[in-house]
Amino acid sequence: DTAVSQTPKYLVTQMGNDKSIKCEQNLGHDTMYWYKQDSKKFLKIMFSYNNKELIINETVPNRFSPKSPDKAHLNLHINSLELGDSAVYFCASSQVFSYGTSGLHEQYFGPGTRLTVT
Amino acid sequence: AQSVAQPEDQVNVAEGNPLTVKCTYSVSGNPYLFWYVQYPNRGLQFLLKYITGDNLVKGSYGFEAEFNKSQTSFHLKKPSALVSDSALYFCAVRDGTNAGNMLTFGGGTRLMVKP
Repeated sequence: DTAVSQTPKYLVTQMGNDKSIKCEQNLGHDTMYWYKQDSKKFLKIMFSYNNKELIINETVPNRFSPKSPDKAHLNLHINSLELGDSAVYFCASSQVFSYGTSGLHEQYFGPGTRLTVT
Repeated sequence: AQSVAQPEDQVNVAEGNPLTVKCTYSVSGNPYLFWYVQYPNRGLQFLLKYITGDNLVKGSYGFEAEFNKSQTSFHLKKPSALVSDSALYFCAVRDGTNAGNMLTFGGGTRLMVKP
């Protein structure tokens, strides 16, 4: 069973369009994330979200917005796509809000969505 | 602010030889440290973590890492490299006060193991 899944795997679109990437986790985790990996493989956190709060990396443009219909899903919406948005986007999840520290904090990643903006 | 440095873009090692992938970090509180591996066209896979306790942490696939607080390092090691270990390795850090459990990743180190 796939723990963290993303759709689509590939997304090619034109500048100015609005698109969404879906993410689902079946691990029962309480926190989900979105990361962007650029062409040089540099990985940057975009959002951290649980049912209580959304933490946004301040460098992320407000064209990007996460939307969570329920605890197992965190979709990424991108408005007015730009060439610089081309990257691989990874969804991840983890169990954070529990007692103690053992067995916590590692994040499980989805397979990624390669977004190409032309 | 937290940061991670992986000083080597690439590490080359012969199969059967020991390998080390270096990582240094900077955090304002107690560090939580992680290593992840990324195979081509795949997502990141968790290898190991340091939260507290023993400085030598053992993880998946025979990898281990040593936490050194004085040198603020968390180098990844394996006694005998395999060709199948060839991949991109990321070190990551989260400090104890970080809201949202947000990780900061290093730039990645490509490990090439040659037969």
